[in-house]
Amino acid sequence: KQEVTQIPAALSVPEGENLVLNCSFTDSAIYNLQWFRQDPGKGLTSLLLIQSSQREQTSGRLNASLDKSSGRSTLYIAASQPGDSATYLCAARGGVTSYDKVIFGPGTSLSVIP
Amino acid sequence: DAGVIQSPRHEVTEMGQEVTLRCKPISGHDYLFWYRQTMMRGLELLIYFNNNVPIDDSGMPEDRFSAKMPNASFSTLKIQPSEPRDSAVYFCASSWTDQETQYFGPGTRLLVL
Repeated sequence: KQEVTQIPAALSVPEGENLVLNCSFTDSAIYNLQWFRQDPGKGLTSLLLIQSSQREQTSGRLNASLDKSSGRSTLYIAASQPGDSATYLCAARGGVTSYDKVIFGPGTSLSVIP
Repeated sequence: DAGVIQSPRHEVTEMGQEVTLRCKPISGHDYLFWYRQTMMRGLELLIYFNNNVPIDDSGMPEDRFSAKMPNASFSTLKIQPSEPRDSAVYFCASSWTDQETQYFGPGTRLLVL
């Protein structure tokens, strides 16, 4: 059974710092892995989606990597800003056609201090 | 496009009452998903539809939960009868294909007293 964990559970950094959020999954047979952002009281916003055949994806100051063999994905945020403060969740999707194996991690709560 | 629309945004009801949550996906999206988020269990997929047809409802917790998608622009999630442990935030999401990213609605915050 796929299990997704995220470390750390919470992170507080000063503005301008580069940071890395970690996501681990137990079953390496994933179809893709997605990173989301959730603001308090809001829905999820997709940040990056990495297909199983890819190693990384980049969007602006964000870079996500995927290493299936080690069961790990990282989200790198460069030059953090107070507006980056939110909860970041990763979601691993297993299989090929069934969405019943989309498993979300518990999230990392990020605070960027001005 | 206005994005995924959910209503109501907040719902407070008493145990035993019927609750109906509504979702309008992004126009043109063929996939629609219902999720539930709680502090204890995190985010869980309840059911998803492809072209209005339920594909996998294995995440639906009990027979008290039912979901329908009568047309491409509307879906409902119904809980009857509701129980306090159903209190959660329920999200609806949609996507073009099963290989594309999902777009989430703002969620419905349900409190069952």
